[in-house]
Amino acid sequence: GAGVSQTPSNKVTEKGKYVELRCDPISGHTALYWYRQSLGQGPEFLIYFQGTGAADDSGLPNDRFFAVRPEGSVSTLKIQRTERGDSAVYLCASSLIGGRTDTQYFGPGTRLTVL
Amino acid sequence: GENVEQHPSTLSVQEGDSAVIKCTYSDSASNYFPWYKQELGKGPQLIIDIRSNVGEKKDQRIAVTLNKTAKHFSLHITETQPEDSAVYFCAAFANAGGTSYGKLTFGQGTILTVHP
Repeated sequence: GAGVSQTPSNKVTEKGKYVELRCDPISGHTALYWYRQSLGQGPEFLIYFQGTGAADDSGLPNDRFFAVRPEGSVSTLKIQRTERGDSAVYLCASSLIGGRTDTQYFGPGTRLTVL
Repeated sequence: GENVEQHPSTLSVQEGDSAVIKCTYSDSASNYFPWYKQELGKGPQLIIDIRSNVGEKKDQRIAVTLNKTAKHFSLHITETQPEDSAVYFCAAFANAGGTSYGKLTFGQGTILTVHP
């Protein structure tokens, strides 16, 4: 079956603009995670959804970042008033139920560049 | 919160040699430790994992060991091949305060290069 997909694969925007990044998880996976990966670093947790609700958003760096998952499947990460420091690869992962026994499957990521 | 340290940051070996990557973690509540392989332009892919009730796990040329007392775990790759060249990440999963869910904290990554 299909894995986790993310669109767009690359996004270039100007400082101050608004961007949306999309994640399509594996069908049937109730848990969805967003991570941010800066160059040369490991992924850093941003937010975790269980179904439609954000169970843990402690990793969001500030209120310019927001994510939704209205129907418990596709998720959108939204970044307002982008800054150059937001440039990174944004990774999405999904797992079956979200517990510690679950494997998280990652998408290919969206590379965001803020000029 | 959890902190995961990974060493070395780069590792260069000859084809056929073994490679070992080590990680330490800080949160004694962490109970699941996956290893991911990331190739250029791709997302991380799980290669092996170990849970806190097990000390060692092996899958063909890859093995992982866990020492809960010392809070460290290691990845061992034997008979390395050029296609093993990639960035490897360790991670630790800790449940969030009595809940059944939690999050992964990743190490900084190891760039493994296997020379033919």
